[in-house]
Amino acid sequence: EPEVTQTPSHQVTQMGQEVILRCVPISNHLYFYWYRQILGQKVEFLVSFYNNEISEKSEIFDDQFSVERPDGSNFTLKIRSTKLEDSAMYFCASSEETGPGGYTFGSGTRLTVV
Amino acid sequence: DQQVKQNSPSLSVQEGRISILNCDYTNSMFDYFLWYKKYPAEGPTFLISISSIKDKNEDGRFTVFLNKSAKHLSLHIVPSQPGDSAVYFCAAKTDSWGKLQFGAGTQVVVTP
Repeated sequence: EPEVTQTPSHQVTQMGQEVILRCVPISNHLYFYWYRQILGQKVEFLVSFYNNEISEKSEIFDDQFSVERPDGSNFTLKIRSTKLEDSAMYFCASSEETGPGGYTFGSGTRLTVV
Repeated sequence: DQQVKQNSPSLSVQEGRISILNCDYTNSMFDYFLWYKKYPAEGPTFLISISSIKDKNEDGRFTVFLNKSAKHLSLHIVPSQPGDSAVYFCAAKTDSWGKLQFGAGTQVVVTP
């Protein structure tokens, strides 16, 4: 079964450093998403991406965050200057079509900011 | 932002019995409701969904019921199996491709 692949599985970074989280969505999917889950909290929407541009973003997705689909297969989330509160599991998801279907999530990247 | 609520943080059920997970929502604009299952160290896995124009959808052991007037949905798992032990998230979206709003999750433990 096709999978969404995320790398790295765990990233430790110092506060103020830039991090790039990488995702390879399922190849024929058109819609791409980033979500995050802070320990003990809900899974929260960050951003959606379609046709090479951001479709929607949450209040969390401020100027410190950016997304890119640099080469038609990878989908990246960059955090420019990490804060302690950015520590969370970050999930990439993709979807082939619109409608009631669910999105396919990757296994996540655990980001720890120290 | 508490548009999707799962008020039961945990549920314990015996193997072979029915698991019933509940979810309430406040936004009447939601068009689709979904259930996800999550194991530790994995991403959420899509289980089943329902459109707001329906009141029931069934897929194998999983059935989702939607009561729009009560803004309530439930997931029934029959029969429950040990492999069903996981966290179950209710989610909803207003657009067919839009962002998912998740509930807090219910930890299900299926005991032998």
